[in-house]
Amino acid sequence: NAGVTQTPKFRVLKTGQSMTLLCAQDMNHEYMYWYRQDPGMGLRLIHYSVGEGTTAKGEVPDGYNVSRLKKQNFLLGLESAAPSQTSVYFCASSYPSSGGAKETQYFGPGTRLLVL
Amino acid sequence: GQQLNQSPQSMFIQEGEDVSMNCTSSSIFNTWLWYKQDPGEGPVLLIALYKAGELTSNGRLTAQFGITRKDSFLNISASIPSDVGIYFCAGQGRRMEYGNKLVFGAGTILRVKS
Repeated sequence: NAGVTQTPKFRVLKTGQSMTLLCAQDMNHEYMYWYRQDPGMGLRLIHYSVGEGTTAKGEVPDGYNVSRLKKQNFLLGLESAAPSQTSVYFCASSYPSSGGAKETQYFGPGTRLLVL
Repeated sequence: GQQLNQSPQSMFIQEGEDVSMNCTSSSIFNTWLWYKQDPGEGPVLLIALYKAGELTSNGRLTAQFGITRKDSFLNISASIPSDVGIYFCAGQGRRMEYGNKLVFGAGTILRVKS
């Protein structure tokens, strides 16, 4: 199993450009999450999803949109990038359909985004 | 909203020493998780705690879920150079609308002097 994978690994954007970050998991997890990590602030939840076709706002959702069209994929979109969105973005998933701890989240390797 | 206070913010210790870090919250948590993040990587789960008072070990790592449900600590015994990284605590509160949202501490940066 590859676990949680993220693409791209690194991206530079100009202010106002748009992009989509892709997260994929092969663990048959029901729940998926997008976080951003900034120095000294830990991980902050942007959006999350409890199942295919459902999404919800997290702690810092402004400026981002998400979609969960397939159970294994969770997309994070930036419609008009701003320098304040320079960060490292992590995707995570949890809660296997076969049962188990819902709370245990598994993380991808991250996407480093620089907005100029 | 719920917040976690993680301390210390950073540590610089001698190889072979024991390390201790902790997280406290003003709210009650039902689950405590400890993650480690290596440079350039995503967080990796070290230990999960599900019951107040629970003490769990994973090799040289030991973590405890505080009796009050408002704190947790992580101990690393006999530190080695590969222990370098950032350690995060995370907690899940009692009331969840749905999903399993975690609250993360700001992290403890561990540096080991070889």
